[in-house]
Amino acid sequence: SQQGEEDPQALSIQEGENATMNCSYKTSINNLQWYRQNSGRGLVHLILIRSNEREKHSGRLRVTLDTSKKSSSLLITASRAADTASYFCATDYTGGFKTIFGAGTRLFVKA
Amino acid sequence: DGGITQSPKYLFRKEGQNVTLSCEQNLNHDAMYWYRQDPGQGLRLIYYSQIVNDFQKGDIAEGYSVSREKKESFPLTVTSAQKNPTAFYLCASSITGGGTEAFFGQGTRLTVV
Repeated sequence: SQQGEEDPQALSIQEGENATMNCSYKTSINNLQWYRQNSGRGLVHLILIRSNEREKHSGRLRVTLDTSKKSSSLLITASRAADTASYFCATDYTGGFKTIFGAGTRLFVKA
Repeated sequence: DGGITQSPKYLFRKEGQNVTLSCEQNLNHDAMYWYRQDPGQGLRLIYYSQIVNDFQKGDIAEGYSVSREKKESFPLTVTSAQKNPTAFYLCASSITGGGTEAFFGQGTRLTVV
């Protein structure tokens, strides 16, 4: 399977702490995206990082990409209870049309 | 408001019946996708369409069928051949193919009774 893998599968932190989620993938990519899903809802796009970029910021989100290790990380700083959700990485493989989603990290932020 | 709409939100089906899930977008996107999500799992691609009147099988197409007669619409039929259809189904669209931001509908939860 080309599916990416997120790590950890689940993460529980206190409000105000930082949350870090990791994603590993298997073959060369054009870009990598992170999405968020609230329980029972659709996914919402958070950020896209291209294969020639190493780091990208959006508000409290910081994404890094290491193509040599085939991995990415999503950092949420100063987490809030409203950040409680599942977070998925999605990869677009070189030469492919499909976007492949990982199994996700479930984040629980305790107030 | 631009967006992607799935209906119904909840659907119950008797075993042996076909059922069709609706997906409509007014974003003028060329590409549309159907994903299946099982509890605690990621998304698995069922079918995708890059352009009107064209669609391709994804990773788990068996027991499903689609059509793309209009740019705005990409309905998914879950046939009686699908052995385990109970799941959460998500439709998405993007401007072009893979690697661009995808916009998702709110999903349809299908339960076989």
